Amino acid sequence: QKEVEQNSGPLSVPEGAIASLNCTYSDRGSQSFFWYRQYSGKSPELIMFIYSNGDKEDGRFTAQLNKASQYVSLLIRDSQPSDSATYLCAVGVNYGGSQGNLIFGKGTKLSVKP
Amino acid sequence: SAVISQKPSRDICQRGTSLTIQCQVDSQVTMMFWYRQQPGQSLTLIATANQGSEATYESGFVIDKFPISRPNLTFSTLTVSNLSPEDSSIYLCSVDRGYSYTFGSGTRLTVV
Repeated sequence: QKEVEQNSGPLSVPEGAIASLNCTYSDRGSQSFFWYRQYSGKSPELIMFIYSNGDKEDGRFTAQLNKASQYVSLLIRDSQPSDSATYLCAVGVNYGGSQGNLIFGKGTKLSVKP
Repeated sequence: SAVISQKPSRDICQRGTSLTIQCQVDSQVTMMFWYRQQPGQSLTLIATANQGSEATYESGFVIDKFPISRPNLTFSTLTVSNLSPEDSSIYLCSVDRGYSYTFGSGTRLTVV
């Protein structure tokens, strides 16, 4: 059973701080990793994906992947109240080279206090 | 990324009835995924719909309860049958366009 684990939070950070969200996964063969943001009552929206070890930056967001440790994280710099949402970590299922569905963690609820 | 139109956005249904959810994608995709998000929970895959073949269901989900149609490469429906209050959830369709999994806006189902 492939699993994705996240701390459910809530994680509370002050405005302007760095928010750090963490995720571990069970399938060592996993190759693609995604971070989604979900506002209450809305569908998930993709923040970024990563598939190579190391860091990937996009604006205020940095995804970090360590396949040896089966660990992926998301850093949000200069956190804003509008970043308050649930952040979902997801791992892509690979079917013999073809991309399949995603397996989601339970999500971490982030609250950014003004 | 793909644009997905999902409807209805919400519905309240009587127990024992059925609800059919539609997803229309703005471009052709091979696979469409149907997820369920129960209150306060994360997303769970119900099934994968391929055009021209039967859907592949995940453990715990059966075709009689969640029949899926996939008549072409841009459209799919999910029916939730014989509704019970436990089916009250958000249902989402999703497609992948090259590492860009996009979701429909979701259907919030309440069973009374």
